[in-house]
Amino acid sequence: DAKTTQPNSMESNEEEPVHLPCNHSTISGTDYIHWYRQLPSQGPEYVIHGLTSNVNNRMASLAIAEDRKSSTLILHRATLRDAAVYYCILNGNYGQNFVFGPGTRLSVLP
Amino acid sequence: DTGVSQNPRHKITKRGQNVTFRCDPISEHNRLYWYRQTLGQGPEFLTYFQNEAQLEKSRLLSDRFSAERPKGSFSTLEIQRTEQGDSAMYLCASTRDREKLFFGSGTQLSVL
Repeated sequence: DAKTTQPNSMESNEEEPVHLPCNHSTISGTDYIHWYRQLPSQGPEYVIHGLTSNVNNRMASLAIAEDRKSSTLILHRATLRDAAVYYCILNGNYGQNFVFGPGTRLSVLP
Repeated sequence: DTGVSQNPRHKITKRGQNVTFRCDPISEHNRLYWYRQTLGQGPEFLTYFQNEAQLEKSRLLSDRFSAERPKGSFSTLEIQRTEQGDSAMYLCASTRDREKLFFGSGTQLSVL
């Protein structure tokens, strides 16, 4: 399985941008990069995904490196509600398994 | 779109008993995934189905774990002869092809 590595934890101040990094050096050409987040006592929820180009949606932006070996999830203005564990995962060609790592625990300070 | 539904939400059982969890995916989602999550850890992949076919089951934790998806609709995850180490949150997710995963709220299992 392709693996991803993320920092264990990060902190941000409220209303400031947050850049969450993810390394995926063994990514294959057909792997999509997905981001999910998990709030306390809830199942993970989808945030964003992409293949090669940068992506934007109402929740966040995804910046993908040109060599695709890393990506960054960008929250443009962090709110207290964004405090969660963020997971970067790869979805392979046959979608056999979305394999989750430990993720990054984001704390947002008021 | 009513979301992914998991039942029961909580299950308390005694060691050695069998338990079964149910997952109802979003209709027309052809792929269904089961995960286990313990406190402070990310979801641990267990198995997945494409329609009724179980395409990956090598990561089921032991032969006490089994899953089915008859007719490619709902799925069940059974744990036989439960052990205290099986206590965890069991999550189900569904998707259509390679699109985003939708997760249920999970079943919290406590083995006494």
